[in-house]
Amino acid sequence: KNEVEQSPQNLTAQEGEFITINCSYSVGISALHWLQQHPGGGIVSLFMLSSGKKKHGRLIATINIQEKHSSLHITASHPRDSAVYICAVKGWSGGSNYKLTFGKGTLLTVNP
Amino acid sequence: DTEVTQTPKHLVMGMTNKKSLKCEQHMGHRAMYWYKQKAKKPPELMFVYSYEKLSINESVPSRFSPECPNSSLLNLHLHALQPEDSALYLCASSPVWDARGYTFGSGTRLTVV
Repeated sequence: KNEVEQSPQNLTAQEGEFITINCSYSVGISALHWLQQHPGGGIVSLFMLSSGKKKHGRLIATINIQEKHSSLHITASHPRDSAVYICAVKGWSGGSNYKLTFGKGTLLTVNP
Repeated sequence: DTEVTQTPKHLVMGMTNKKSLKCEQHMGHRAMYWYKQKAKKPPELMFVYSYEKLSINESVPSRFSPECPNSSLLNLHLHALQPEDSALYLCASSPVWDARGYTFGSGTRLTVV
């Protein structure tokens, strides 16, 4: 079982819809990242969370440490939001731990 | 400057060629990483440098040779690659003892012919 599980794997929406992508993890973490990758492109970091909620424009990310769960929300979705969204966690391993553990990603397609 | 810059963006090389990928950051991050990403897969960690010293090698074949000449620069030297090594190679950096500020570069798309 992957330590980081994302759902759904694929998501198709109409422009303007509210989008939610979920991430559950099974290990203790020091931080959780939400990343965006457009087809054929590099990775852009959207949020880093260790608690609570963050908002940037139309994007909102929340994390519940006790439930080991995070959500990424997109309000008023737009075709340019079409991308793969990846959840990645940075764990603890007795001191520094450099590795990010990645979910398999959610492919979001927003149709006009 | 809050970016990780990778060059070149695209590279096509033959199996007998020697080439290098370059990664640069000026955020004062002392941990730098190389990841390999195949199509429709999450990135896989290859190497980690901490304070310019190699701290993690994830059993990467010796045809990939990393180098960290200073705190801002990370190279990946490539030699005698195979077609299956074609992938997106991503560089990232972060503070060593702080989970915040993990920053990815836009990657080098490598094709081995």
